[in-house]
Amino acid sequence: DTGVSQDPRHKITKRGQNVTFRCDPISEHNRLYWYRQTLGQGPEFLTYFQNEAQLEKSRLLSDRFSAERPKGSFSTLEIQRTEQGDSAMYLCASSLGQGGLNEQFFGPGTRLTVL
Amino acid sequence: GNSVTQMEGPVTLSEEAFLTINCTYTATGYPSLFWYVQYPGEGLQLLLKATKADDKGSNKGFEATYRKETTSFHLEKGSVQVSDSAVYFCALSDKGSARQLTFGSGTQLTVLP
Repeated sequence: DTGVSQDPRHKITKRGQNVTFRCDPISEHNRLYWYRQTLGQGPEFLTYFQNEAQLEKSRLLSDRFSAERPKGSFSTLEIQRTEQGDSAMYLCASSLGQGGLNEQFFGPGTRLTVL
Repeated sequence: GNSVTQMEGPVTLSEEAFLTINCTYTATGYPSLFWYVQYPGEGLQLLLKATKADDKGSNKGFEATYRKETTSFHLEKGSVQVSDSAVYFCALSDKGSARQLTFGSGTQLTVLP
C-alpha cells in the first residue's frame, strides 16, 4: 500500500487552457473524494465517487469542471478554460467506506497556478 | 449547513509549552470529528478522531474531547516540540451518504526551541 498518489504535483498554465489531474487511491478503497484548498483556507469538498459512480457534487464544481472514475480505480479531474480563480491546491482522498467512521486518506495534492 | 470555526493563528509557542487550539462546529445531527495535520511540504494526515459525544481522541500526545453540549473539539497537548510545527485543521463528517469532510480554516503552529 503506497497511499494516495496524485499527478502532477505542480501545474502552471495560462488562462483559458484546459488541465487534467489524476488521482490514484489506495487500492481497496471504494470511495474517492476531490477537494480544493486555497491559500490560508481549509480544503473544500468538490465531488465524491463510490466505485465508478459520481454520487455528489458541490455547488463549487462549476460547468467547467468535470471528474471521472471510469473503472472505479483512478480518477481524473479536468478543468476547462481555466481562470485565475482556479489557482489552488487540488486534493484527492480515498476511504474504505465501511462502518461509521469513513476515515479519509489524502494525497499530496496538485498545485495549480493559472497565469 | 455544516461549518467549523477554528481559533485563528498563527500560534507561536516555546518548546515544552502547553497547546490549546479551539474548534467549534455547527452541524445537523451527530457528526464525527477530526483533527488533521499538515506538515510543511506534506499532505494532510489524520491526527485523531472521535465519533460520538464524550469520546476522547488521542495520538502522539495530542488529545481532543467531543463535547456535544458546547459543540466543541479543542485540541490540546501538554508539552509541544519543535517537530509539532505544522498547520492543524479541525474537521467534521456528517452521517449522510457522502460523508465528505467540512474543514476549518486551519491554525498555523510554530514551536521555537
